[in-house]
Amino acid sequence: GQNIDQPTEMTATEGAIVQINCTYQTSGFNGLFWYQQHAGEAPTFLSYNVLDGLEEKGRFSSFLSRSKGYSYLLLKELQMKDSASYLCAVRDSNYQLIWGAGTKLIIKP
Amino acid sequence: NAGVTQTPKFRILKIGQSMTLQCTQDMNHNYMYWYRQDPGMGLKLIYYSVGAGITDKGEVPNGYNVSRSTTEDFPLRLELAAPSQTSVYFCASSYEGQGTGYEKLFFGSGTQLSVL
Repeated sequence: GQNIDQPTEMTATEGAIVQINCTYQTSGFNGLFWYQQHAGEAPTFLSYNVLDGLEEKGRFSSFLSRSKGYSYLLLKELQMKDSASYLCAVRDSNYQLIWGAGTKLIIKP
Repeated sequence: NAGVTQTPKFRILKIGQSMTLQCTQDMNHNYMYWYRQDPGMGLKLIYYSVGAGITDKGEVPNGYNVSRSTTEDFPLRLELAAPSQTSVYFCASSYEGQGTGYEKLFFGSGTQLSVL
């Protein structure tokens, strides 16, 4: 079966750095996405990785290792508004998106 | 820019009732999707459409129907509502579908549906 694993919940301190991991086992790979979802709201796109390596976009970076079936989302200089769930999704060989359950990130002052 | 507009935002149904969740997008996107999101689980694809007149089943289509008569609209129909359909429903759209680079999804604001 296809599976995406993420930690259920993480806690971090305002101003710090946090790394949210995602491991996947899918039938084929055609890209990995990270979305942010604030409570009660719709997911919004954060990043996309299809090749190995690090993609940096402001305070957020996303890393991919296809050989290890592994990605992480790195959030720097955490702000209270970063409190949200972070969803990892992998596009499989049929170009269907397989979604993880999401990681709820709690930021403390 | 309206983006993806989804209505209603909340709805309570009795078992056996039916309803239609409306979804419209003004970005001229080819691809549209319906997802459901249950606590502790990833988004599950119900149905999707690659263009007007073309729809296909996703992972969890049972109990639902869709139509796509125009590029803009993609309503989701629930027939004979059951408690298992209690969930948050999201409509989404994307410009490019498969194999042409990344396709980020634009989501509607969601519908919280309870079937009692």
